Amino acid sequence: ILNVEQSPQSLHVQEGDSTNFTCSFPSSNFYALHWYRWETAKSPEALFVMTLNGDEKKKGRISATLNTKEGYSYLYIKGSQPEDSATYLCAFKRNAGNMLTFGGGTRLMVKP
Amino acid sequence: NAGVTQTPKFRILKIGQSMTLQCAQDMNHNYMYWYRQDPGMGLKLIYYSVGAGITDKGEVPNGYNVSRSTTEDFPLRLELAAPSQTSVYFCASSSGNFEQYFGPGTRLTVT
Repeated sequence: ILNVEQSPQSLHVQEGDSTNFTCSFPSSNFYALHWYRWETAKSPEALFVMTLNGDEKKKGRISATLNTKEGYSYLYIKGSQPEDSATYLCAFKRNAGNMLTFGGGTRLMVKP
Repeated sequence: NAGVTQTPKFRILKIGQSMTLQCAQDMNHNYMYWYRQDPGMGLKLIYYSVGAGITDKGEVPNGYNVSRSTTEDFPLRLELAAPSQTSVYFCASSSGNFEQYFGPGTRLTVT
């Protein structure tokens, strides 16, 4: 059983605040790390797929970094907006496997 | 493209009944997956398929069966529904090791 942990479980911020949260995963047999954004009553949508140690990805105000040697990834949101309110999921894929193992998610709520 | 579609959207089953959750994708993806979402637990993989005729168990396969006779369709079968199978079920597809595309989900209640 692979352990993929996300912290914090939930986060309340004010509009305009910048925020970040963590995904930790096994540092051995790494293949890829996915980030998904999941709005209430919708389905998860991919944000990033990261494969190389030191990768940094950016989409608008959202960015992510990856450290495969120590087994963690950070997701950053700059200047949070109410529409950023969602659950953010990370998922780990190991070598020689076809499965993604998801973390429990970080639920972000941005107050106007 | 419709993407990934799932039917039904909602279903209530009595204990012991059976049903099939339908999933279809029109993106010609080889990989397809079934997940269940339990509160506070994220997504758990039930079964997956890497191509027509090939299926494999995920983390929580007990009580479920799948088949993959075509690239497009990946139905999930519950034979003897139990209250523990009350959940929201998501189907997803991907092209190899790239991001997964999720369907809208099926909310199942077993009473």
